Amino acid sequence: NAGVMQNPRHLVRRRGQEARLRCSPMKGHSHVYWYRQLPEEGLKFMVYLQKENIIDESGMPKERFSAEFPKEGPSILRIQQVVRGDSAAYFCASSLFRDTRWYTGELFFGEGSRLTVL
Amino acid sequence: GNSVTQMEGPVTLSEEAFLTINCTYTATGYPSLFWYVQYPGEGLQLLLKATKADDKGSNKGFEATYRKETTSFHLEKGSVQVSDSAVYFCALPGIQGAQKLVFGQGTRLTINP
Repeated sequence: NAGVMQNPRHLVRRRGQEARLRCSPMKGHSHVYWYRQLPEEGLKFMVYLQKENIIDESGMPKERFSAEFPKEGPSILRIQQVVRGDSAAYFCASSLFRDTRWYTGELFFGEGSRLTVL
Repeated sequence: GNSVTQMEGPVTLSEEAFLTINCTYTATGYPSLFWYVQYPGEGLQLLLKATKADDKGSNKGFEATYRKETTSFHLEKGSVQVSDSAVYFCALPGIQGAQKLVFGQGTRLTINP
């Protein structure tokens, strides 16, 4: 499967625990984006990363949330000390960066990780 | 930054009905515009796009025309099917030349047989 791979698909945590969500981008893609979808709401941008760099984290909550995209391995979204309000679907997307003259803007999404906080 | 406003749902139609889902945008310049679709339990997938004014994107019987005069990108389909039941999102780059997309709130479409 050459698509964006996310795991786990479903994750249940109790309040105060940590959640780690993983995303492997499409082959050849070097840009990863994380979005959050709350129940019955649209997608909210969280963070945009390249390998070893956070490019834009303007949508990330200031506390408890962090993201990384190491040189080797998947991108990880980490939520510490989860609360019930963190229950949501977290989607990862990837893109193949091109010179902006050729920019198409298309993102390729994974199937999401659904976090439930008890 | 750029933003998009979508027609609120949910929308319920009978099979073979005509569909319109409205989308208007606010943007600097003329960014590419997109419609994404999310089927139940799945991630988003690109449905169609238009990269410049007056372009028409089309796919699977859906169409949308990039209209700069009305800053709109309405999604239409002449005859919907039960399999079109999904949530539809209008999107555009957050700022000109940016990689990230901003999405509308989504419109849930249900097609009854």
